[in-house]
Amino acid sequence: KQEVTQIPAALSVPEGENLVLNCSFTDSAIYNLQWFRQDPGKGLTSLLLIQSSQREQTSGRLNASLDKSSGRSTLYIAASQPGDSATYLCAGPSGGTYKYIFGTGTRLKVLA
Amino acid sequence: DGGITQSPKYLFRKEGQNVTLSCEQNLNHDAMYWYRQDPGQGLRLIYYSQIVNDFQKGDIAEGYSVSREKKESFPLTVTSAQKNPTAFYLCASSTTPQGSGNTIYFGEGSWLTVV
Repeated sequence: KQEVTQIPAALSVPEGENLVLNCSFTDSAIYNLQWFRQDPGKGLTSLLLIQSSQREQTSGRLNASLDKSSGRSTLYIAASQPGDSATYLCAGPSGGTYKYIFGTGTRLKVLA
Repeated sequence: DGGITQSPKYLFRKEGQNVTLSCEQNLNHDAMYWYRQDPGQGLRLIYYSQIVNDFQKGDIAEGYSVSREKKESFPLTVTSAQKNPTAFYLCASSTTPQGSGNTIYFGEGSWLTVV
């Protein structure tokens, strides 16, 4: 059964810093891994989707990597801004099925 | 605009009462999902539907029921059998089953509180 863990649970950084959020998963036979952003009291917005055949995906200041052999994915945010403050969640399919298992998220605060 | 609409945004339930959360999508997606989110926890799947008139239990289906009579609608009923229903509920949809490589779209969520 897939388990998804995110570290750290919370992170506070000054504006302009580059930062890395970590996501670990137990089932390496995943089809893909997806990163989401959630603002307080809101739904989730998809940021990046990495297929199992890919190693990374980029969108603007965001770059996500996937290493199936080690069971890890990272989300890199360049030149962080106060508007990046939110909770970031990763999710991957559960063992041979298509059902997503979500991590508990990293709550990011970027200080102006 | 295309998207997922959840209503109501806030709902209060009395003990022993059933309540229904609405979810409507105009994205022409086949698959729809209901998740529950508790503070400090990730999302947990309640029910999902891959096609009209078909739905499957997720990981925490006890005390909940759903229907999928129309492609665009997937209402969730929280029954009195759900002993701890206070949570944030999220509806989502996708073109194909989640995890298959297509983006999942989420609604804005509904807050349910037991009073």
